Amino acid sequence: AQSVTQLDSQVPVFEEAPVELRCNYSSSVSVYLFWYVQYPNQGLQLLLKYLSGSTLVKGINGFEAEFNKSQTSFHLRKPSVHISDTAEYFCAVSENSGYALNFGKGTSLLVTP
Amino acid sequence: EAQVTQNPRYLITVTGKKLTVTCSQNMNHEYMSWYRQDPGLGLRQIYYSMNVEVTDKGDVPEGYKVSRKEKRNFPLILESPSPNQTSLYFCASSPASFLVHWFFGPGTRLTVL
Repeated sequence: AQSVTQLDSQVPVFEEAPVELRCNYSSSVSVYLFWYVQYPNQGLQLLLKYLSGSTLVKGINGFEAEFNKSQTSFHLRKPSVHISDTAEYFCAVSENSGYALNFGKGTSLLVTP
Repeated sequence: EAQVTQNPRYLITVTGKKLTVTCSQNMNHEYMSWYRQDPGLGLRQIYYSMNVEVTDKGDVPEGYKVSRKEKRNFPLILESPSPNQTSLYFCASSPASFLVHWFFGPGTRLTVL
């Protein structure tokens, strides 16, 4: 069975600083990995996804993530955050079936001036 | 505009009073799913559907029912709501391919008194 662990429940950071949100997964088969963002009082929208190929994946709003199979990780990074990046970020994993998306518990990113 | 819609967006009800939360998508997607989001627990899948008349339980199905009579609609039914079902509910849809991500609705905040 697959599971997802987001290692930090809250990450406070100053504006224009870099940030890394950590995600580890466990699965016995090949997986597909996703990062979703939830802005206050809104639904979830896709930031980026890893399906195959290059392990460095670029997404929207300047975010990127690196798939590391040996460490079973999929950490999300941004070199310089903005106030508007304040949101809840969810890592998710899907196995071959595709219809079961397993989410981590979320990381709350708080960007302050 | 391609979207997943949910109604109502907010609902306060009392224990035992049957309710239905509607979900509709206009993208002709085969897969649909319901999640609940609770603080510190992330998103957990309640039920999913792979096509019309095909549904299956997710991780937390107790106390919920679903139906998929039409491709575009996937209502969530709480026949006898209880306070522990107070939560934020999301409907999502996806084409029948794990190469594409899930699209989420705006959420329904349910309070059961």
